[in-house]
Amino acid sequence: GAVVSQHPSRVICKSGTSVKIECRSLDFQATTMFWYRQFPKKSLMLMATSNEGSKATYEQGVEKDKFLINHASLTLSTLTVTSAHPEDSSFYICSARDLDATKETQYFGPGTRLLVL
Amino acid sequence: LAKTTQPISMDSYEGQEVNITCSHNNIATNDYITWYQQFPSQGPRFIIQGYKTKVTNEVASLFIPADRKSSTLSLPRVSLSDTAVYYCLVGDSARGSTLGRLYFGRGTQLTVWP
Repeated sequence: GAVVSQHPSRVICKSGTSVKIECRSLDFQATTMFWYRQFPKKSLMLMATSNEGSKATYEQGVEKDKFLINHASLTLSTLTVTSAHPEDSSFYICSARDLDATKETQYFGPGTRLLVL
Repeated sequence: LAKTTQPISMDSYEGQEVNITCSHNNIATNDYITWYQQFPSQGPRFIIQGYKTKVTNEVASLFIPADRKSSTLSLPRVSLSDTAVYYCLVGDSARGSTLGRLYFGRGTQLTVWP
């Protein structure tokens, strides 16, 4: 299947700093990518839809100024956690939508573990 | 968006067939049914997708009755490495749809014992 990568795989930062996470579709173009957050022993929670060339669409309760999303190209979306705090510590996962597939399928990245001290 | 209901956990032994059923009573006409597998600290991995009847690939089968209000993921002859959380999702996956958002339920923790 298609491959989606994330960078970094894990990051530790101090409270108050900003952290950028990259999501790349390696062998297909993705006009739409999605960002999820997952706390331990919990399910994935959809945070926002990242649209190439336009503003992201955020789910209810997700602060757009806190989680900045940029989708500058057909293969790259970035999520920036601004002024991170310990409660932002989580597992962040992106997915990319392969529109060229016979059936629409989303492929997920390996995730980024964020720890805010 | 259709809500799904799955068993929270299931146990099996190596070599057995495992069937995980998912209920989605409010599934819409455009919705596909997709199953993902997730190991700890990894992103979900696509297993299988279907719209109706039966779909089979190299790792699983998906059975969907005519009313589409439920679906069953069948894993033949499971091994220890199949221990994971399995998510059933329904969503508007029609080509050209501007949606495509997937909302994960709690999933089913499958534990395979030796």
